[in-house]
Amino acid sequence: EAGVAQSPRYKIIEKRQSVAFWCNPISGHATLYWYQQILGQGPKLLIQFQNNGVVDDSQLPKDRFSAERLKGVDSTLKIQPAKLEDSAVYLCASSLNGRADTQYFGPGTRLTVL
Amino acid sequence: DQQVKQNSPSLSVQEGRISILNCDYTNSMFDYFLWYKKYPAEGPTFLISISSIKDKNEDGRFTVFLNKSAKHLSLHIVPSQPGDSAVYFCAATTQGGSEKLVFGKGTKLTVNP
Repeated sequence: EAGVAQSPRYKIIEKRQSVAFWCNPISGHATLYWYQQILGQGPKLLIQFQNNGVVDDSQLPKDRFSAERLKGVDSTLKIQPAKLEDSAVYLCASSLNGRADTQYFGPGTRLTVL
Repeated sequence: DQQVKQNSPSLSVQEGRISILNCDYTNSMFDYFLWYKKYPAEGPTFLISISSIKDKNEDGRFTVFLNKSAKHLSLHIVPSQPGDSAVYFCAATTQGGSEKLVFGKGTKLTVNP
């Protein structure tokens, strides 16, 4: 079974630029999560999708971050414009049934904002 | 407001000995707790969990203990192996595991041969 795929693995941009990350969950997983992990911190949930609907986006900075999962499969997370404090690893995870102990994480995208 | 705390950023143990990683939480609504293991350049992987109706859960070399009155849990690894060297995250959630995870900052475990 293929795992959660993310691309790119690394991205370096300057502040005020835009960036997008892509995630392809495990086949058949209805629930998809985006997390932000700042260096020295634990992952923080940004947004959770159930199929193509948003379940929880309470911690998503909506003035600059957006995410979509149009067909209920893969997802894109966008930052526009980026700030220095957005430097972090962005992790995507998926789950078959939405339970915490069935989340599988991708390798993450490391974003550096200069 | 850090609801899940891992106060030891790092821990070093000798191969074959016991590793004990600690985690404290403040939110009394948490009823399901998990430990994740993370290697560099990889995503976290689920290791072991425990429900608040239990005080111990064991899976091979890994045992998690929960002390609800103290709002404290610990992960024991016996015996420790060099391959266990990783960052370990404690996480908590509510409603039996169906709600969002709240993670601690992690503890970096180094097991020396």
